[in-house]
Amino acid sequence: EAGVTQFPSHSVIEKGQTVTLRCDPISGHDNLYWYRRVMGKEIKFLLHFVKESKQDESGMPNNRFLAERTGGTYSTLKVQPAELEDSGVYFCAGSGTGGGTQYFGPGTRLTVL
Amino acid sequence: GEDVEQSLFLSVREGDSSVINCTYTDSSSTYLYWYKQEPGAGLQLLTYIFSNMDMKQDQRLTVLLNKKDKHLSLRIADTQTGDSAIYFCAEGISGGYNKLIFGAGTRLAVHP
Repeated sequence: EAGVTQFPSHSVIEKGQTVTLRCDPISGHDNLYWYRRVMGKEIKFLLHFVKESKQDESGMPNNRFLAERTGGTYSTLKVQPAELEDSGVYFCAGSGTGGGTQYFGPGTRLTVL
Repeated sequence: GEDVEQSLFLSVREGDSSVINCTYTDSSSTYLYWYKQEPGAGLQLLTYIFSNMDMKQDQRLTVLLNKKDKHLSLRIADTQTGDSAIYFCAEGISGGYNKLIFGAGTRLAVHP
């Protein structure tokens, strides 16, 4: 069984540009989460999908961030326009119906110059 | 608010035991987790403990939970160089589909 995959593994962009991160959770995992770790600090929750619906987006920093999960399978997280403080590692995780153990992807390291 | 605190760095000699400590604030947590991140890799679930348990042992890993003090620890027996990694403590927030609140991670360095 394939694990959680994220693409790209690294992205370097300039301030003001747009970047889209993708996450493919384990097949059948209805719950999908996005987290972010900035500059060696704690990993912070961004948002949570149940299938295609946003269940909790209380951790989204601002309206420059847009997450989608059309069809309830993979998810994208778009940052537009990117700012310097958006640099960090973005993790995606998934879990089965009802919650439970979250399985994490390898993360996407985003650097905004 | 929800907060998880960990010490940032721990250095141990190979073969010794490592103890990584964590404190949390949300008393409604249902599960508490330990994740491991090796260099260049994602987060790997190491172990977890249900909030009504005091202790859980899994091979070289022992998790102790003091719910009264909101203190969680991870003990690694016979620490090996392959245990060098960042260890994250996380609490699962009940009522939030187990949204995880993480600490900043403890970097464990194992030296000969």
